[in-house]
Amino acid sequence: QKEVEQNSGPLSVPEGAIASLNCTYSDRGSQSFFWYRQYSGKSPELIMFIYSNGDKEDGRFTAQLNKASQYVSLLIRDSQPSDSATYLCAVNRRTGGFKTIFGAGTRLFVKA
Amino acid sequence: DTEVTQTPKHLVMGMTNKKSLKCEQHMGHRAMYWYKQKAKKPPELMFVYSYEKLSINESVPSRFSPECPNSSLLNLHLHALQPEDSALYLCASSQLTRDTGELFFGEGSRLTVL
Repeated sequence: QKEVEQNSGPLSVPEGAIASLNCTYSDRGSQSFFWYRQYSGKSPELIMFIYSNGDKEDGRFTAQLNKASQYVSLLIRDSQPSDSATYLCAVNRRTGGFKTIFGAGTRLFVKA
Repeated sequence: DTEVTQTPKHLVMGMTNKKSLKCEQHMGHRAMYWYKQKAKKPPELMFVYSYEKLSINESVPSRFSPECPNSSLLNLHLHALQPEDSALYLCASSQLTRDTGELFFGEGSRLTVL
């Protein structure tokens, strides 16, 4: 079982729709949970992080965490073509520095 | 603009060469990381430095040798690499005063081993 699992997609949504990205993790010792966005040929950039159960909203993005189910999700409202990218779910635990493990990523296409 | 700077952006080397990748950050972060990323794959953790000391080595072959000269600099020395080591090498940093540990990535060094 992989530590972090995501549906690799591609996920295709029309412009203006809600995109829903999901992730599960296996290590119950994981402390913090992240969504990074990576455009083709670029490095990952942080979209959101969450470490408490529930929802966290930032603009068009909402992250949801359910530690009992070991489940993290990202909702993107009013999706734009510029949101087309690979979305990487990541989890970490503190051991010295932080050991951050990435899921395989979900490719999102937003059609204009 | 990224606050984590990596050089060089592109590197081509032969299997007998010795080269180094460099990374610099000026955000006062006390943890620095090397990740390797192959095409269409997620970043894979290689090394973690915490307060300039190596805290995590993910069983990386010895032909990769990390070095952290000070809290702002991180190097990755490369020697006798194999063609399968061709990849994007990402440096990242994070704070250690927070428990969340979000990573700030550089733009990466794209390595080709011939």
